[in-house]
Amino acid sequence: DAGVTQSPTHLIKTRGQQVTLRCSPKSGHDTVSWYQQALGQGPQFIFQYYEEEERQRGNFPDRFSGHQFPNYSSELNVNALLLGDSALYLCASSRGTGGAEAFFGQGTRLTVV
Amino acid sequence: AQSVSQHNHHVILSEAASLELGCNYSYGGTVNLFWYVQYPGQHLQLLLKYFSGDPLVKGIKGFEAEFIKSKFSFNLRKPSVQWSDTAEYFCAVNPKAAGNKLTFGGGTRVLVKP
Repeated sequence: DAGVTQSPTHLIKTRGQQVTLRCSPKSGHDTVSWYQQALGQGPQFIFQYYEEEERQRGNFPDRFSGHQFPNYSSELNVNALLLGDSALYLCASSRGTGGAEAFFGQGTRLTVV
Repeated sequence: AQSVSQHNHHVILSEAASLELGCNYSYGGTVNLFWYVQYPGQHLQLLLKYFSGDPLVKGIKGFEAEFIKSKFSFNLRKPSVQWSDTAEYFCAVNPKAAGNKLTFGGGTRVLVKP
């Protein structure tokens, strides 16, 4: 039973570029949430996808967008990258939207130079 | 908006010492509470969770936590730590009205010296 898988593991981008991060949820899970973890801080909620729609959103600008596919996998897109977007991006999956336990992937380390 | 405070950023202790990590949250409604652990080079893993019922919950690896509703606290404890407990520990809150959204504390880095 595969857990949550994210790709790529590391990424270096230049300021102003765009990036796409990918996540496959744990088997049996249909909800995907994305978090940003800056160095030395706890993860911060970006948004959550369920039934291919964004259901909740944290305090992040529109440069951050996402998508969920029919197989429940998800993408996080960030446009017009800023140096401050450098962080570990975590994907978490769960069942439904009723507050179930979340399982996290290893994350994608994004460095913007 | 809810917030989560973890009182200690860094904790250093010796093997067999007792550990207690503080966590307080600000939210007036009903919440689910979690402690996650991140071992060096690994992903976030769930240590324990509280949804309802007995406020003293037991998790994996000998950890337990106590929910004190009147104090908005959910402190993590382990009576006797091992070197392998070296990790970063995160408290997280999920208001029951907020779906699956987790609000995390800033984390506490624990170093256990052999």
